Amino acid sequence: AQSVAQPEDQVKVAEGNPLTVKCTYSVSGNPYLFWYVQYPNRGLQFLLKYITGDNLVKGSYGFEAEFNKSQTSFHLKKPSALVSDSALYFCAVNSGGYQKVTFGIGTKLQVIP
Amino acid sequence: GAGVSQSPRYKVAKRGQDVALRCDPISGHVSLFWYQQALGQGPEFLTYFQNEAQLDKSGLPSDRFFAERPEGSVSTLKIQRTQQEDSAVYLCASSLVRDRGRQPQHFGDGTRLSIL
Repeated sequence: AQSVAQPEDQVKVAEGNPLTVKCTYSVSGNPYLFWYVQYPNRGLQFLLKYITGDNLVKGSYGFEAEFNKSQTSFHLKKPSALVSDSALYFCAVNSGGYQKVTFGIGTKLQVIP
Repeated sequence: GAGVSQSPRYKVAKRGQDVALRCDPISGHVSLFWYQQALGQGPEFLTYFQNEAQLDKSGLPSDRFFAERPEGSVSTLKIQRTQQEDSAVYLCASSLVRDRGRQPQHFGDGTRLSIL
């Protein structure tokens, strides 16, 4: 079985400050990891993914994430937060082949002006 | 089309009624997924199609839920004899290639279903 944990229901950060949204995972085999963002009354939008290769992955809107195999983590980061980054962020995992994607429960990011 | 389109955006039904939710994926996308997203939760997998073949329906919560994709493009999720616990947002997603887990999914904006 595969699972994702997002330990923080909410993250608050001041505009201009760096942000981190945490994610840990559990999967058999090598993980495929994803971050998605959801704005109110909208579907999920893909931000970035880790499949293989460099542990630091860069994605859309200045976001990046670091894959850490020993800690089974895939934290989302951004050097300087914008008010417009305020949204719900979901981490997701599968183990390749055809495997249904498992999502975390989401972390609400609030960037304060 | 430019993105995944779902209709209706909002659906209100009385308990016991049947409902049908439509998903129009991005043209040419082989894989199609349905998810159920309860309030304050992440999307939960319902079912997966590769073209017209339903390869995984393990997430459907009961036999009241039925999905089809007869021509390998548009898909319909049908819920019979709706119950209040069916109230949720139903999300559809598609991806271009036969999904081997590497490709991100493209989501529609969902249908918010409310059962009274």
